[in-house]
Amino acid sequence: QKEVEQNSGPLSVPEGAIASLNCTYSDRGSQSFFWYRQYSGKSPELIMFIYSNGDKEDGRFTAQLNKASQYVSLLIRDSQPSDSATYLCAVITSGTYKYIFGTGTRLKVLA
Amino acid sequence: EPEVTQTPSHQVTQMGQEVILRCVPISNHLYFYWYRQILGQKVEFLVSFYNNEISEKSEIFDDQFSVERPDGSNFTLKIRSTKLEDSAMYFCASGRFGQPQHFGDGTRLSIL
Repeated sequence: QKEVEQNSGPLSVPEGAIASLNCTYSDRGSQSFFWYRQYSGKSPELIMFIYSNGDKEDGRFTAQLNKASQYVSLLIRDSQPSDSATYLCAVITSGTYKYIFGTGTRLKVLA
Repeated sequence: EPEVTQTPSHQVTQMGQEVILRCVPISNHLYFYWYRQILGQKVEFLVSFYNNEISEKSEIFDDQFSVERPDGSNFTLKIRSTKLEDSAMYFCASGRFGQPQHFGDGTRLSIL
């Protein structure tokens, strides 16, 4: 069974701080990794995607991938109360195009 | 920016009835998906569709479920005889090869 694991949280950070969200996956052949943000009762919204080892930056967001350790992380700099949401890690494993989602980490940014 | 649209936003149905959830994927996308999310749980894959056929399905997608692309724009999910445990948010997504999937706003399905 191919799994994607996330700490459910909540992760509470003060406004302006860096939020660090982590995700591990079981399938070593996984190729593509995505971070989605989901507000309560809403659909997942794409934040970042990363395919290669290393860091990828987009504005306040940085995705980090380490395939050897099978983890992917998302850093949110200068966190804002509007960043408060559940962050979903999604992985496309080998031989498929479907997403396997983690349970999500609930982030609370305190004003 | 183009988006995936889903109708209806909320569907209430009696147990045992058939329900059809509708989706209009982004026009130049070729891969289509249905996911569901039971309240408080994670998003789960149901089925993927490419080149007018199912390319992959999960254990959840049993004989009570079917998908169809009846014309060039719509992508539907049918549940033949609904059960209480089918109550969930159903998300349609579409994408291109090697690109992230884009999700619709979802249909909240409530089975009474």
